[in-house]
Amino acid sequence: NAGVTQTPKFRVLKTGQSMTLLCAQDMNHEYMYWYRQDPGMGLRLIHYSVGEGTTAKGEVPDGYNVSRLKKQNFLLGLESAAPSQTSVYFCASSTLYDPQGNEKLFFGSGTQLSVL
Amino acid sequence: GQNIDQPTEMTATEGAIVQINCTYQTSGFNGLFWYQQHAGEAPTFLSYNVLDGLEEKGRFSSFLSRSKGYSYLLLKELQMKDSASYLCAVMDSNYQLIWGAGTKLIIKP
Repeated sequence: NAGVTQTPKFRVLKTGQSMTLLCAQDMNHEYMYWYRQDPGMGLRLIHYSVGEGTTAKGEVPDGYNVSRLKKQNFLLGLESAAPSQTSVYFCASSTLYDPQGNEKLFFGSGTQLSVL
Repeated sequence: GQNIDQPTEMTATEGAIVQINCTYQTSGFNGLFWYQQHAGEAPTFLSYNVLDGLEEKGRFSSFLSRSKGYSYLLLKELQMKDSASYLCAVMDSNYQLIWGAGTKLIIKP
């Protein structure tokens, strides 16, 4: 049972380069999310999706784009990387309904991105 | 604005008990979550509270007081593997999660 799989685990970019992070989940979850985690700060939501073909902006969407063409995949793109985007990125998913009454998140293992 | 406060770091001894506090000010409330995050790893779900009171799960318990905007995570019989960061998150009226910065718990033998 793979859960949420995120690739790559590490990446170094130069300012202005582009890249795509891939997130895949095999739990048939409706909701998927991209977060960034920076030292001394809580997780911040970049973009999220409530279903295939839908995306929405989170707290810090600028400089990022996302796509959810298939229910199991959620892609995060950086078109022109900036040093301020150096961070650890986490993908997460959750179900629409949880029998225990909470929509807990299942996280991928994270991507450490450095932009020089 | 919305805010979650928790201590930055705590130290405790193996075998002891530790309480990690979380206070929140959010636009509405639809539940409070605790997650555990080991260094270099992803957060994993620990507990969920939506009603006042104590929820117990083995060595871990979580308490909520909605009127005080307060929660705590209680860890008993501490083990070295409990060394991790503990993240408090509140779901607001728009069902968005607001995250605290996390409490790094250091366990000493």
